[in-house]
Amino acid sequence: GAGVSQSPRYKVAKRGQDVALRCDPISGHVSLFWYQQALGQGPEFLTYFQNEAQLDKSGLPSDRFFAERPEGSVSTLKIQRTQQEDSAVYLCASSLQGGGYEQYFGPGTRLTVT
Amino acid sequence: AQSVAQPEDQVNVAEGNPLTVKCTYSVSGNPYLFWYVQYPNRGLQFLLKYITGDNLVKGSYGFEAEFNKSQTSFHLKKPSALVSDSALYFCAVRDSRGGKSTFGDGTTLTVKP
Repeated sequence: GAGVSQSPRYKVAKRGQDVALRCDPISGHVSLFWYQQALGQGPEFLTYFQNEAQLDKSGLPSDRFFAERPEGSVSTLKIQRTQQEDSAVYLCASSLQGGGYEQYFGPGTRLTVT
Repeated sequence: AQSVAQPEDQVNVAEGNPLTVKCTYSVSGNPYLFWYVQYPNRGLQFLLKYITGDNLVKGSYGFEAEFNKSQTSFHLKKPSALVSDSALYFCAVRDSRGGKSTFGDGTTLTVKP
C-alpha cells in the first residue's frame, strides 16, 4: 500500500519567505509526527498529532513554526519568515496510534534557506 | 526529559561476523524502545521495538535487540553481518505515557566483504 508521502521533496526559499510543507500519512493512521533532521544528526521532535488534536508542540523551535492537521489526515508544517538556521530535512511520520506503535516515515522535504 | 546515546558514530565489521550497535537511554517511566535504519537515499525504516515482555526482541532482516533495564541499554545485534546491512542506524525512546520520541544521532554501520 501507499506509504507516507511528503511534498515538495526539495524547497529553496529566500530568507524571510514563508514556506508550507505537506504530509500525507498512511490511511487510517491516527498519530502523525513532524521532525527536523540536521545533517549528521538524528531526527529532532517538533510536534505530534492524534487525529486533528495537536497533543505536543514542545519541539517547535519558535513561534515562526506552525503545524496543523485540520481533518485528522493531511498535515501541513508552516514556517514563517524563514531563517538560514531553518535549513534542514523535515520528516513526517505516522503510526496507527501513539505509544508502542512504530512510526512510518516519509522521504522528507529538504529545505534550503538562502 | 528523555534522551538517547549512541556512543559510536561508526561501526565496522567483516561480513559473516557478529555485529553490535550500542544504545543507552534515559526516560522517566517505562520506556518504549525502537531501532530504525536509513539506507542511502531512502527514508527511515522500522526494524524492531521493545514494549514489554521478553527482553530479547527480534525484528526485520535477522536483527535482534536486548533490553537491559538495569543498564538502561537496548543494543542492536545480528549474529552474521551482510554487506547489505551497511546503513545508518538510529535508536529511539518514547515514554509510555506520551507521544514524543527522542532519537540518537545515529551509528553508521559498514560491513566489508
